[in-house]
Amino acid sequence: KAGVTQTPRYLIKTRGQQVTLSCSPISGHRSVSWYQQTPGQGLQFLFEYFSETQRNKGNFPGRFSGRQFSNSRSEMNVSTLELGDSALYLCASSPTGTVYYGYTFGSGTRLTVV
Amino acid sequence: TQLLEQSPQFLSIQEGENLTVYCNSSSVFSSLQWYRQEPGEGPVLLVTVVTGGEVKKLKRLTFQFGDARKDSSLHITAAQPGDTGLYLCAGAGGGSNYKLTFGKGTLLTVNP
Repeated sequence: KAGVTQTPRYLIKTRGQQVTLSCSPISGHRSVSWYQQTPGQGLQFLFEYFSETQRNKGNFPGRFSGRQFSNSRSEMNVSTLELGDSALYLCASSPTGTVYYGYTFGSGTRLTVV
Repeated sequence: TQLLEQSPQFLSIQEGENLTVYCNSSSVFSSLQWYRQEPGEGPVLLVTVVTGGEVKKLKRLTFQFGDARKDSSLHITAAQPGDTGLYLCAGAGGGSNYKLTFGKGTLLTVNP
């Protein structure tokens, strides 16, 4: 079965712009989570959605937002981009909504802000 | 705030050697997971351990969860170049079952 699909794979944006990243989870998975990965901080939790509801949010500024659609696909948006937003953004899905048994991650979107 | 400390941060060894990676915390986790990530890709789940003292084996990889469920180790026997990658431990629990706390990873290079 198809894995977690993230688009686009690579993105270059200018400071001050906004960006939208997309994630399609494994079929039947209703929970989608987003993480930011940087060399200095590692993987940091952004937010988690289950059945279109945000259940948990990490410690990121309000410029970072997300949503989930009725087909479980999810998008995250970053407004007013800063250089420090350059990172690999990873989406992960799970069937039950808890992380007790682990996630399946997508390949990520590499965002570069110049 | 829960933290997971991984050590060592970098490890470069020759093919055939054994190695151990450690993951430590002052917090108790309901489960602990190990992932491996290759350049340009997302992490791939290797194993989940849930019971204190649990040991799981995956071919040449042995995973152990500490008795107090605060620490874990990954041991690789007779490492191969294909084992090269970033190894991440991640803990679940601590009031939220909806997010993982990740260590910063151990970058393993196995030289032929």
